[in-house]
Amino acid sequence: DAGITQSPRHKVTETGTPVTLRCHQTENHRYMYWYRQDPGHGLRLIHYSYGVKDTDKGEVSDGYSVSRSKTEDFLLTLESATSSQTSVYFCAISAGGGEEAFFGQGTRLTVV
Amino acid sequence: EDKVVQSPLSLVVHEGDTVTLNCSYEVTNFRSLLWYKQEKKAPTFLFMLTSSGIEKKSGRLSSILDKKELFSILNITATQTGDSAIYLCAVTPRKGTYKYIFGTGTRLKVLA
Repeated sequence: DAGITQSPRHKVTETGTPVTLRCHQTENHRYMYWYRQDPGHGLRLIHYSYGVKDTDKGEVSDGYSVSRSKTEDFLLTLESATSSQTSVYFCAISAGGGEEAFFGQGTRLTVV
Repeated sequence: EDKVVQSPLSLVVHEGDTVTLNCSYEVTNFRSLLWYKQEKKAPTFLFMLTSSGIEKKSGRLSSILDKKELFSILNITATQTGDSAIYLCAVTPRKGTYKYIFGTGTRLKVLA
């Protein structure tokens, strides 16, 4: 299995609080991604990174920010959590754009 | 706008049946198409199809890519209960963008 770890695996938080999810990889892959998965919507891209300090928005980026200060870590921050951000969040990595992507085990986030 | 459409949304079959899952796409400058299997956790990679590899096979699973008609199919023969999962299709645009665009998936249930 690819060396990719998400933390925390589960989190319950209150509306309006900031939340940070972490994705850590040991593969030295250049590309990292944050997706959310909701019933009926499949995997939707939130943000992605194509190198240290190089990030770009995906299709559902509103209310989220990311940072990548090291190759191995990609952080996703919900600036002020809302109930609509209750979801399962997956991190993915790939060695090259268009190559096989590997997924972390997911973080189940509940905003109450 | 780049998009991926999978059909059917869900499917129930009996062990031993053969199933065909469909994935059609519209993407600017196609680079690759990937199939994933998702059971209870993270999606796991099945196949990648590109211009230079339009047919792949692994055991009871096989996939083809029709670049002219912009679709792919995933075939599973002699289905088993362990094939029950969500099957996801994703496409990537040509170099210059790094996104994986996913369809909503097909939920397959195989009954004993």
